[in-house]
Amino acid sequence: DTEVTQTPKHLVMGMTNKKSLKCEQHMGHRAMYWYKQKAKKPPELMFVYSYEKLSINESVPSRFSPECPNSSLLNLHLHALQPEDSALYLCASSQEGGNTGELFFGEGSRLTVL
Amino acid sequence: QKEVEQNSGPLSVPEGAIASLNCTYSDRGSQSFFWYRQYSGKSPELIMSIYSNGDKEDGRFTAQLNKASQYVSLLIRDSQPSDSATYLCAVIDSSYKLIFGSGTRLLVRP
Repeated sequence: DTEVTQTPKHLVMGMTNKKSLKCEQHMGHRAMYWYKQKAKKPPELMFVYSYEKLSINESVPSRFSPECPNSSLLNLHLHALQPEDSALYLCASSQEGGNTGELFFGEGSRLTVL
Repeated sequence: QKEVEQNSGPLSVPEGAIASLNCTYSDRGSQSFFWYRQYSGKSPELIMSIYSNGDKEDGRFTAQLNKASQYVSLLIRDSQPSDSATYLCAVIDSSYKLIFGSGTRLLVRP
């Protein structure tokens, strides 16, 4: 069982919809991440929250909006997405804040944009 | 452009053999190195981390690091069909950024 829980596991949305992806960890980790992964490609970093503050935004389009309500929760709000945004969205956490490669990934949310 | 390079494979080995997965990186200032395993349709899972030159063993896995050659490898002894997956090499570069390689697909034949 993964200790990073992501919901929903699958999401289909139209280009005009607003939806959110949710992530939760109860390991007391201080950093949380959003990655995007396309088929047969490596994960691509989107955002990093370290100690509940946004520390890295990898020039992600504003149609993706992250939120960290507390140290255990991370959301990704989606609005006006494009079909090319269809991908596996991975949440991860790490014990240290932000500059580590020891990441614990959730199972991912597979997003399809129609 | 800082890069982490891996042969995409597939690397095909018979059951019981040693699988050798290789990775090179371009940033000489990189300090931390990681191997992740990703089964098809699943998320990456950290299996090894290595921070200093030499070998680090954990069960059937051995990570090898040679900073002078900018080379890191993962050996899997007594390979099992359940080891069939994509193995991602990842490196913390001199900007403290985690860079993933594109992964090597390993296929262990029964």
